[in-house]
Amino acid sequence: QVQLQQWGAGLLKPSETLSLTCAVSGGSFSGYYWSWIRQPPGKGVEWIGEINHSGSTNYNPSLKSRVTISIDTSNNQFSLKLSSVTAADTAVYYCGRGRGYNYGYALDIWDQGTMVTVSS
Amino acid sequence: EIVLTQSPGTLSLSPGERATLSCRASQSVSSSYLAWYQQKPGQAPRLLIYGSSSRATGIPDRFSGSGSGTDFTLTISRLEPEDFAVYYCQQYGSSRTFGQGTKVEIK
Repeated sequence: QVQLQQWGAGLLKPSETLSLTCAVSGGSFSGYYWSWIRQPPGKGVEWIGEINHSGSTNYNPSLKSRVTISIDTSNNQFSLKLSSVTAADTAVYYCGRGRGYNYGYALDIWDQGTMVTVSS
Repeated sequence: EIVLTQSPGTLSLSPGERATLSCRASQSVSSSYLAWYQQKPGQAPRLLIYGSSSRATGIPDRFSGSGSGTDFTLTISRLEPEDFAVYYCQQYGSSRTFGQGTKVEIK
């Protein structure tokens, strides 16, 4: 059973850099697209970006200038950095697994999410 | 960027009734890359449908998806108590985008 578990700082000040890491266990790390998604309180879901096992990335154009997603294949982990955070970046952050072409690249596994608050 | 618009925003129905949720794209989306998710309070979204009409593993057959081009539909044939939730459509083109969600609430 594939599981995702993330960790990182839950409280940040404006202008700091958000940093989260997601570890994958119980299954293959290659052949998938590892995504970060967020959801502000009471609002809808927003995709942040993704990376595959080769390190190729794809970002939400609206966040691209502030986002870096990296991968550590030796430890089956991938990470998110979001720079210059503001209160608008306060959200539950999820990591997820994107399947390939035959599955329409759908996100079939998500972690439980972690709340990140930006406040002075 | 492709914008997905879901309607209605809220759907008030009774258990046993049929739910029809709409997802309209600002430009054509490959039906292979349209997915639907269900989210309950305090939980992560769960994949229901991928490729516009294929049910994900373990999803009951009362859930069905259809559509092509710019218009897609999620249908729940007979609502069960556990189906009252928020539903999101999502497309995968040059990047991923989600619709704003439709809340299915108990009438």
